[in-house]
Amino acid sequence: QKEVEQDPGPLSVPEGAIVSLNCTYSNSAFQYFMWYRQYSRKGPELLMYTYSSGNKEDGRFTAQVDKSSKYISLFIRDSQPSDSATYLCAMSRPQAGTALIFGKGTTLSVSS
Amino acid sequence: NAGVTQTPKFQVLKTGQSMTLQCAQDMNHNSMYWYRQDPGMGLRLIYYSASEGTTDKGEVPNGYNVSRLNKREFSLRLESAAPSQTSVYFCASSETSISGELFFGEGSRLTVL
Repeated sequence: QKEVEQDPGPLSVPEGAIVSLNCTYSNSAFQYFMWYRQYSRKGPELLMYTYSSGNKEDGRFTAQVDKSSKYISLFIRDSQPSDSATYLCAMSRPQAGTALIFGKGTTLSVSS
Repeated sequence: NAGVTQTPKFQVLKTGQSMTLQCAQDMNHNSMYWYRQDPGMGLRLIYYSASEGTTDKGEVPNGYNVSRLNKREFSLRLESAAPSQTSVYFCASSETSISGELFFGEGSRLTVL
């Protein structure tokens, strides 16, 4: 079992829809949880960052972490065509010298 | 403010040829990373450097070598390229190796024939 699992999609929704993206993980030592957004032919960019459990909201985006279930989510409200991208979850342990582990990414398409 | 700069952006090699991908960051970050991204495989870590003077293997290091030239620069070398190394390569940097807030370059697209 890979440490981080993410459904690659693709996911297609109409403009204005609520989008839910999810990842599961197996390593209970993970403490830092992130969502990166990657536009076509570009490098990933950090979208949301959460330490340990709980929710974090930033505009139309909400990140949730449920450590008891080893499950993280990203919700996008009022989705826009500009949200069309690949979304990658990532996580790491609080240990110097380690590196991020990424999910495979979910490709989202928002149609107008 | 350029962030993370990778060169070259595109490269075509023949099997057996060697090449070096260059990466430089101007954010005074301590940690630097090389990832490869393949369809259906996501981002996989090749090598990383938690701090200047140290390098460590990631998930897929075979066929690659790295050099942390100084705090700004981290290069990735393919000594004898193989078609399996056809991929998009991303360099990234972060202030520390703990929190994981990575800043990525635009990517280098490598094709090995």
